Amino acid sequence: GAVVSQHPSRVICKSGTSVKIECRSLDFQATTMFWYRQFPKQSLMLMATSNEGSKATYEQGVEKDKFLINHASLTLSTLTVTSAHPEDSSFYICSARDGQENNSPLHFGNGTRLTVT
Amino acid sequence: GENVEQHPSTLSVQEGDSAVIKCTYSDSASNYFPWYKQELGKGPQLIIDIRSNVGEKKDQRIAVTLNKTAKHFSLHITETQPEDSAVYFCAASIGNTGNQFYFGTGTSLTVIP
Repeated sequence: GAVVSQHPSRVICKSGTSVKIECRSLDFQATTMFWYRQFPKQSLMLMATSNEGSKATYEQGVEKDKFLINHASLTLSTLTVTSAHPEDSSFYICSARDGQENNSPLHFGNGTRLTVT
Repeated sequence: GENVEQHPSTLSVQEGDSAVIKCTYSDSASNYFPWYKQELGKGPQLIIDIRSNVGEKKDQRIAVTLNKTAKHFSLHITETQPEDSAVYFCAASIGNTGNQFYFGTGTSLTVIP
């Protein structure tokens, strides 16, 4: 089945630094990837939709200059949290759909636990 | 836009009993309804899905039913086991590779041995 690989699984960084999270579709091409943020015991909050070869679409309230998204190929999207602050600590999850298949399921990575100290 | 509601938020059942989680949606254009299981510290994993052209789908101990008229769909887990304990999310989408999914708020299922 379709596999989405997300790396790293955990990262600890200091305030003011930037962190990059990678999301790869391993066995399918994903023209669209989605980035979510999840707070403890809460649902998935869509941050942005990442489109291959074009600018990402951000949800209302999500700062595009703080959460930089790059979708340079059909199998890779990256999320960079810039100038991280403790309030950015969260669980970030990417997902992707198979671009070759209509009505295809959404497949998730295993998430990245970000802790900003 | 689409609004997906999910109930209950928490559910405890004895091992071997059945568990039912219900979701409603608001947009009649939604035609694809997946269910995800999320274990602690991991990403959601697809467990079953249903499209609007069918009313029921079953995969071993898991089944999903869809009522398009009433705009609700349900997840049924029979003969529950402790390893079924997790958070379950329903979602709705309009079938198109670029369209986003709208998630329910999640149900924390605990299966008591």
